[in-house]
Amino acid sequence: DIQMTQSPSTLSASVGDRVTITCRASQSISSWLAWYQQKPGKAPKLLIYKASSLESGVPSRFSGSGSGTEFTVTISSLQPDDFATYYCQQYVSYPRTFGQGTKVEIK
Amino acid sequence: EVQLVESGGGLIQPGGSLRLSCAASGFTVSSNFMSWVRQAPGRGLEWVSIIYSGGGTYYADSVRGRFTLSRDDSKNTLYLQMNSLRAEDTAVYYCAKDRSLAAVGLNDAFDIWGQGTMLTVSS
Repeated sequence: DIQMTQSPSTLSASVGDRVTITCRASQSISSWLAWYQQKPGKAPKLLIYKASSLESGVPSRFSGSGSGTEFTVTISSLQPDDFATYYCQQYVSYPRTFGQGTKVEIK
Repeated sequence: EVQLVESGGGLIQPGGSLRLSCAASGFTVSSNFMSWVRQAPGRGLEWVSIIYSGGGTYYADSVRGRFTLSRDDSKNTLYLQMNSLRAEDTAVYYCAKDRSLAAVGLNDAFDIWGQGTMLTVSS
């Protein structure tokens, strides 16, 4: 199985901050990586697919980069609606594994 | 509107069985790869199972042999039959749709998720 490791596990930031979350795969996944945002009691929401493609309707302050084994998602200017937990997921092979999540908290 | 609605969760004793449903609207389930993903209380996301457009299925090791994913095309609905349930199966269960049509032939990210249904396995 491909292991996905996110860092940090928790991130404290203020509105307006630039925030970056990292996801590392235990082996190369090319660009077959997605990022999701999840708020308490809600289903995950797709933000980024194929490592850097922005899903329709997602604000342009979100961006993704990387390939192979190292990936990042960046929020260019953190907004109040962005405080949530973020997950990466590889979909190159089964099982389609997720990272453990990064909680973005208000500083 | 493209939508997924899960149902069937509840409280079940260890060793018991339960069937979850996922009703789709706004698209055809048989035209997409469809998965179940679960989330234990306070934990992260765990992919559980997938059904391909041709009806083939694949399972996570943790549920293989106990869970069965099927589809009723006439009802545009997925079913997850869960047998020999364990306490560690306690979770919110989501169904989710791949972005791309199955005809593309590639795995994709999950662009549509249901609201989830809670399964609690406890005596």
